[in-house]
Amino acid sequence: TAGITQAPTSQILAAGRSMTLRCTQDMRHNAMYWYRQDLGLGLRLIHYSNTAGTTGKGEVPDGYSVSRANTDDFPLTLASAVPSQTSVYFCASSAGTGDTDTQYFGPGTRLTVL
Amino acid sequence: GQNIDQPTEMTATEGAIVQINCTYQTSGFNGLFWYQQHVGEAPTFLSYNVLDGLEEKGRFSSFLSRSKGYSYLLLKELQMKDSASYLCAVQDSNYQLIWGAGTKLIIKP
Repeated sequence: TAGITQAPTSQILAAGRSMTLRCTQDMRHNAMYWYRQDLGLGLRLIHYSNTAGTTGKGEVPDGYSVSRANTDDFPLTLASAVPSQTSVYFCASSAGTGDTDTQYFGPGTRLTVL
Repeated sequence: GQNIDQPTEMTATEGAIVQINCTYQTSGFNGLFWYQQHVGEAPTFLSYNVLDGLEEKGRFSSFLSRSKGYSYLLLKELQMKDSASYLCAVQDSNYQLIWGAGTKLIIKP
């Protein structure tokens, strides 16, 4: 079972350019999440989706957008990248959003914005 | 505001025991998770506590005291492969996870 896959593994992007980070899960999980991880800080939630067709804003949503057209895919788009968006991005999923629903993470995308 | 505190770094010796503490102040509480993260890899689930007390899973145990806003992860019989960061996360009243910055554990032979 692949679990959660993310693409690309890493990317260098010029400031002002747009980019979509891809995330696909094969566990039929209802909920999906996008986090960024920066040195010295905890994982911060960017956007989430509790079920296909719905999305919500997390702690740091500015500059990012998401869509959830189906259960498996949850792409994250940076419309006009800025250097402060340099980070490692993790996609995660969970079966539901209850108190026992563990989040499982993809391998991450390392993004550098110059 | 919401806050999760963990030590930044700890060092321990192979074969020994180490306790990693986590204190939290959050808007509501629906459970506490511990994850392990090796350098360059994704976080992986270790344990979940929602009731007070100790949960044991092999060499790893996790303790929770809700009244004190406190948890710890206990690692026994340390192995070199346990060198990693350990992340504490609390599920708040909206069932969102609030994450600590992680504790980097260095194991020395």
